[in-house]
Amino acid sequence: EDQVTQSPEALRLQEGESSSLNCSYTVSGLRGLFWYRQDPGKGPEFLFTLYSAGEEKEKERLKATLTKKESFLHITAPKPEDSATYLCAVEGGSEKLVFGKGTKLTVNP
Amino acid sequence: EAGVTQFPSHSVIEKGQTVTLRCDPISGHDNLYWYRRVMGKEIKFLLHFVKESKQDESGMPNNRFLAERTGGTYSTLKVQPAELEDSGVYFCASSQLTDTVAFFGQGTRLTVV
Repeated sequence: EDQVTQSPEALRLQEGESSSLNCSYTVSGLRGLFWYRQDPGKGPEFLFTLYSAGEEKEKERLKATLTKKESFLHITAPKPEDSATYLCAVEGGSEKLVFGKGTKLTVNP
Repeated sequence: EAGVTQFPSHSVIEKGQTVTLRCDPISGHDNLYWYRRVMGKEIKFLLHFVKESKQDESGMPNNRFLAERTGGTYSTLKVQPAELEDSGVYFCASSQLTDTVAFFGQGTRLTVV
C-alpha cells in the first residue's frame, strides 16, 4: 500500500530563517511526487511535480528535491506570506494521489 | 482560465438527509477526481472518472455515496442518507488525459448534525 509521511507536523520560523520540510514515501511504481500548498478554507494549490530521483525544481523561495525514499521542500529566506500547509502526495500505478497529513508552516515577521 | 469550481462551498444537513455536491472541472480536462478530508486525517481518494466513465471507485466508503459525471463534463457526488461520519471537506480535482498534474477546487465543507 502506498504511504506518505510528512514531518514535522508544524513548523514555526522567523522571517528569513531557512528550513526544510520532509516527505517520506513508499509507493509501487512512482509516477510522480507532488507538492501542494493549501491556505485555510481553500483547496490544494499545485507547486511542483518530481518524477525521478535526483530531480530538483525551484519556484521563488521554494526548492523541491527527490530521492528514492523521500522528498524535501527547502524554503529559503521565507516571508510571512509563505505561511500555509504544505502537502506532499505520490501517484503510483493506480493513477490516484496518496497524500500525507501535511506540514503547517508559520512564518513570523 | 477558470479553475475547478465546486458548489456549494458549505453545507450543513441533518443526519438522514440527502446532499448533492457539484464539481465543474477545468474545460478540456477528461480526468476528474473526488477526494475527501475528514478532521485530523489526510486527504483521501474517493473516485476517478475518465470522461463519463468511472475508472476507479475503490475509495468510495459505502453505497450511500453515488457519483455521476454527465456527458463527461461536470460531476455530482450524492450522499444519501448522510451520516455523522460523512462530515469533512470534499475536494474535486481535474487533469488532462495525458498529464499527471491535478488541479483542485476550493472544496465543499460538509457538516452532518
